[in-house]
Amino acid sequence: DSGVTQTPKHLITATGQRVTLRCSPRSGDLSVYWYQQSLDQGLQFLIQYYNGEERAKGNILERFSAQQFPDLHSELNLSSLELGDSALYFCASSVGVIPGTDTQYFGPGTRLTVL
Amino acid sequence: ILNVEQSPQSLHVQEGDSTNFTCSFPSSNFYALHWYRWETAKSPEALFVMTLNGDEKKKGRISATLNTKEGYSYLYIKGSQPEDSATYLCAPRRLLTGGGNKLTFGTGTQLKVEL
Repeated sequence: DSGVTQTPKHLITATGQRVTLRCSPRSGDLSVYWYQQSLDQGLQFLIQYYNGEERAKGNILERFSAQQFPDLHSELNLSSLELGDSALYFCASSVGVIPGTDTQYFGPGTRLTVL
Repeated sequence: ILNVEQSPQSLHVQEGDSTNFTCSFPSSNFYALHWYRWETAKSPEALFVMTLNGDEKKKGRISATLNTKEGYSYLYIKGSQPEDSATYLCAPRRLLTGGGNKLTFGTGTQLKVEL
């Protein structure tokens, strides 16, 4: 158990809908990261927040947005869902003090299925 | 875009065999390399963070070496056990200005250890 929690574990929804994935980082970690793993794709970085501010951005679609709240939990919002958005979404957290060498601890993931 | 190559893509070994696989990355502006282990139905788990050329890290039967000048890292598993079956991911990190801790993962080497 990494100490990172994600809810829900599974989510099934229809095309065009909007969903919110939630992540609570390990106690003391200031950075939160979101990753996507689609079928036949590697782990793709989406976005990083550090202490409430966006710090790095990957290939995140405009239909996706994220935020980190004052209590440091984070939410990833996915809207106008398409079939291709079906994937495993991981949240990770790190202390966030030393970029590059910070170890990222991954949560259990949320499996999103868009029908 | 950071090109990360891992080879082989998959590997089947017998219990007790020793094995190794490779992570190749651009050597320019190298900053750090992360190794992760990802078991099926679980989340990625950090193994090592390596920064210095010639670095060698060890955790039980797993060890890793780093060559930053030529841009590769080897992961070794001595006396493979069925519980070593997993996908092993590497993620090099370039020296970037502006903060952020984006990791670009390779597609991994899938190891299957058979009895």
